Amino acid sequence: DAKTTQPPSMDCAEGRAANLPCNHSTISGNEYVYWYRQIHSQGPQYIIHGLKNNETNEMASLIITEDRKSSTLILPHATLRDTAVYYCIVRVAGSGGSNYKLTFGKGTLLTVNP
Amino acid sequence: DTGVSQNPRHKITKRGQNVTFRCDPISEHNRLYWYRQTLGQGPEFLTYFQNEAQLEKSRLLSDRFSAERPKGSFSTLEIQRTEQGDSAMYLCASSLRQVNEKLFFGSGTQLSVL
Repeated sequence: DAKTTQPPSMDCAEGRAANLPCNHSTISGNEYVYWYRQIHSQGPQYIIHGLKNNETNEMASLIITEDRKSSTLILPHATLRDTAVYYCIVRVAGSGGSNYKLTFGKGTLLTVNP
Repeated sequence: DTGVSQNPRHKITKRGQNVTFRCDPISEHNRLYWYRQTLGQGPEFLTYFQNEAQLEKSRLLSDRFSAERPKGSFSTLEIQRTEQGDSAMYLCASSLRQVNEKLFFGSGTQLSVL
């Protein structure tokens, strides 16, 4: 999988939008961007994924730049329960080969403050 | 079904002892993964099953580690002759084989080797 670069930590005020950046400058055309988060003492949880179009679900929005070299995960109204480590991962699409494997970096620790 | 279940949640053992962890995946999921996570790091891939077949083992998995998934249902991870360096969180995840599969993680087993 291509490497990603994320800031080690970020702070956000409760109720405000949290914008988490990720650089993936070596991403290939068939690689998706996935986001997972890990709340303390729990396993990682899937948030969202996308290829080149912006995506939104009930948890977050994903904005991918036109050149696909970077993306931003947006939590529109952060709550204290969103405090977690957020992982940005790029992964080849398809269910064959070694596409099953997720390679995690160190992620970004997002702290939501009251 | 409430998700991926791992037991025990915590295990303390003395160096040299054998330990076994159990993972019960989401029932219809045909893929099962084991990851290991140490403090401050993202999860690292250990091994992967598709149904009952173990299709990949990481180089991180020494000969002291063995994993099974009999009948393609639950899985066990055994560590023989534990060492202090084995202390970590052991995470299990399951998924359904598809183009953009999502991994569902359990809460992990925290192993402490004294």
